[in-house]
Amino acid sequence: SQQGEEDPQALSIQEGENATMNCSYKTSINNLQWYRQNSGRGLVHLILIRSNEREKHSGRLRVTLDTSKKSSSLLITASRAADTASYFCATGSGTYKYIFGTGTRLKVLA
Amino acid sequence: ETGVTQSPTHLIKTRGQQVTLRCSSQSGHNTVSWYQQALGQGPQFIFQYYREEENGRGNFPPRFSGLQFPNYSSELNVNALELDDSALYLCASSRTQLPFLSGELFFGEGSRLTVL
Repeated sequence: SQQGEEDPQALSIQEGENATMNCSYKTSINNLQWYRQNSGRGLVHLILIRSNEREKHSGRLRVTLDTSKKSSSLLITASRAADTASYFCATGSGTYKYIFGTGTRLKVLA
Repeated sequence: ETGVTQSPTHLIKTRGQQVTLRCSSQSGHNTVSWYQQALGQGPQFIFQYYREEENGRGNFPPRFSGLQFPNYSSELNVNALELDDSALYLCASSRTQLPFLSGELFFGEGSRLTVL
């Protein structure tokens, strides 16, 4: 079963615009990570935020975490055509696994 | 480039057959986990191996089994293949036994299995 649910399922924007995608989860977590996947290939780690952190930045990425609402958001600023991919949140909790969400498919139009 | 390699990249099997997928972990990583990703879905955890022992398993039947070798490479075996086993199978390695606590996962490019 999927713990995380990304929203929206699909997003189409123009190059240069910002892209925001959201993730909701069900149980308490130790950390939350965001991964990127290009057209059915392997996943690439983007950023990790711990449960005691509220915001984190990495280059053009900004992640927020609200544990009271069990939600996180990923903001990609000044998007590029190369950002076109699927983005997944993954939650780490008290088990030997990460639980991935269903993903947001982002398309950046040049 | 994550340093995790998987083989084969694509394969086609028929229902009832058996398949073995292979994964070579990134150097220095002693933990490997396997995920199944159906089309349009997120990856689902199959199991994890740490120092050649399975130490975590998802909701998959016993016909999904694995091995980890002393060099930390790994295999995923699936017996009695069913049509629903068609998916992308992803291997991920990590430096720690408990990647969910602190570490990131390094994924290979996956093996796409089609069951006819």
